[in-house]
Amino acid sequence: SQTIHQWPATLVQPVGSPLSLECTVEGTSNPNLYWYRQAAGRGLQLLFYSVGIGQISSEVPQNLSASRPQDRQFILSSKKLLLSDSGFYLCAWSVSGRTRTAPNYGYTFGSGTRLTVV
Amino acid sequence: GNSVTQMEGPVTLSEEAFLTINCTYTATGYPSLFWYVQYPGEGLQLLLKATKADDKGSNKGFEATYRKETTSFHLEKGSVQVSDSAVYFCALKAGANSKLTFGKGITLSVRP
Repeated sequence: SQTIHQWPATLVQPVGSPLSLECTVEGTSNPNLYWYRQAAGRGLQLLFYSVGIGQISSEVPQNLSASRPQDRQFILSSKKLLLSDSGFYLCAWSVSGRTRTAPNYGYTFGSGTRLTVV
Repeated sequence: GNSVTQMEGPVTLSEEAFLTINCTYTATGYPSLFWYVQYPGEGLQLLLKATKADDKGSNKGFEATYRKETTSFHLEKGSVQVSDSAVYFCALKAGANSKLTFGKGITLSVRP
């Protein structure tokens, strides 16, 4: 069965420090991968998505970047954190759009990382 | 473009009350529809889904019917429990290569 791992679960970082959040998927190949942010009391904001190794699409301009060095690994980074980067970060995967039944499948989410920038 | 509209929240109910959370959508083609639940401090979990008109998704006592004529996918439960307190998101996916489009989510609190 497929599983998604996201870590760390919580993180407190000072303003101006770097960030690296990692997400890995097991039990599937060539997944689509996503990074979302959820600010306190707000909905979901799609930050990045990837349909393959090295292929990253950014949904909103910001202080963050994403990379996909391996098929089932997705990394969210920042060189210098801002206070406004605080939030709950969620990684998710879905079957590739090339899969015939892809429209019938939603996303599977990781357990999230609570980031507090101080 | 595609969009999902959820009723405004938050919603507070007493235990064993009947629950309806409204969701309507706008989409090209024939989307698949989903309800996700997010318990406090956790990621989102798929609650139920429906992939074609008149399908009914169900799980954990929750139900939702894909109504193409009214472009709706309302979530219902006959008797809520305190453990149902969570944020509920309605979502759609319209096509193999499309991304999930989420509603804003609604917070449900159930009092003992």
